[in-house]
Amino acid sequence: EIVLTQSPDTLSLSPGERATLSCRASQSVSNTYLAWYQQKPGQAPRLLIYGASSRATGIPDRFSGSGSGTDFTLTITGLEPEDFAVYYCQLYGSSQFTFGPGTKVDIK
Amino acid sequence: EVQLLESGGGLVQPGGSLRLSCAASDFTFDNYAMSWVRQAPGKGLEWVSAISGSGRSSYYADSVRGRVTISRDNSRSTLSLQMNSLRAEDTAVYFCAKHTGQDQVAVALDSWGHGTLVTVST
Repeated sequence: EIVLTQSPDTLSLSPGERATLSCRASQSVSNTYLAWYQQKPGQAPRLLIYGASSRATGIPDRFSGSGSGTDFTLTITGLEPEDFAVYYCQLYGSSQFTFGPGTKVDIK
Repeated sequence: EVQLLESGGGLVQPGGSLRLSCAASDFTFDNYAMSWVRQAPGKGLEWVSAISGSGRSSYYADSVRGRVTISRDNSRSTLSLQMNSLRAEDTAVYFCAKHTGQDQVAVALDSWGHGTLVTVST
């Protein structure tokens, strides 16, 4: 079973700054099967990125995904106040839908 | 807009059973795979189970396999999760989620319900 790790656990930044979140898989995965979600307190997760780099419907272009193999990155260019949240990466495959432990982006 | 509304959560004793439901609307339900994802209090997301659009294929996390059964009634646009032999560690908010991409299981989850809380405790 492939395990996902995310770093850092917490990222403290100011509005307007750039956030770089990492997701690492324990073995190489197809980038077709990597997604990123945002979750705010008391809310359901929201799909941001699928296929490692494709933005979901309605997601602002300040969110971008990249990576391949075992290393994937979510970048938020110019943090807005509403972007402070927890971000999860997810591997989805034929029978595995593993989430990473999450990275919290909070206000510095 | 896709609507997913979970119900059936509550307090149950260890070893007990519970059946969760998710009522779906505003999309062609039987064209899409569906999943249950849970989140223990203060913890991260954990995928629980998925089912294909036809209902013929189902998938389970190791942590629940043998204790949980996912099913769907496409005539009623309803997803269900029968949970047996519940343990304290099953305490969580349970979300139902729609898979992206028609007739595909190995895709991301693009719509989520608000969740229903299951508490396993004496």
